[in-house]
Amino acid sequence: AQSVAQPEDQVNVAEGNPLTVKCTYSVSGNPYLFWYVQYPNRGLQFLLKYITGDNLVKGSYGFEAEFNKSQTSFHLKKPSALVSDSALYFCAGPQGGGSQGNLIFGKGTKLSVKP
Amino acid sequence: GAGVSQSPSNKVTEKGKDVELRCDPISGHTALYWYRQSLGQGLEFLIYFQGNSAPDKSGLPSDRFSAERTGGSVSTLTIQRTQQEDSAVYLCASSSGVDTQYFGPGTRLTVL
Repeated sequence: AQSVAQPEDQVNVAEGNPLTVKCTYSVSGNPYLFWYVQYPNRGLQFLLKYITGDNLVKGSYGFEAEFNKSQTSFHLKKPSALVSDSALYFCAGPQGGGSQGNLIFGKGTKLSVKP
Repeated sequence: GAGVSQSPSNKVTEKGKDVELRCDPISGHTALYWYRQSLGQGLEFLIYFQGNSAPDKSGLPSDRFSAERTGGSVSTLTIQRTQQEDSAVYLCASSSGVDTQYFGPGTRLTVL
């Protein structure tokens, strides 16, 4: 079984500062990892994914994530936070390994960006 | 292009009633997933369709829950004899069968 963990319930950042939302994983074989964002009363929006290749993955809205195999982490980052980035962020991976099948999610991290 | 759509967006029902939730996936997507999001349980997988078949129903919480998919497109999630613990946001996602799942806006179900 695979697992994904987000150790922080909430992250607070000042606008313009860099942000990091943490995710760690436990999978067998090659991990496939995703980040989604959820705005209030909305569904999940895909941000980026790691399948294979470069460890630094670039995604939507200026976000990027760094895959670190030795630390089993896939932290989400952005160089300069915006107030509009405030939302709930989920890290996810396929439960059965591989790139398909249902996703298992971290518990979510609420990002709050203050002006 | 059009994304995943779900209806209704909100549903309020009385305990013991049956409800049907609908999902229209992205055109051409062969895989369709149902998840449930609740405060206490986070995001939980319910069921997965590949075409019209459901190879994985492992997440359905009880036999009151069922789902079908017709024509390899629209899916309906049915909850019979609803209970208050069924209150949650029900999310549908679709994919082309390879990696990224795209989610609909969800149906918020409230059981009184």
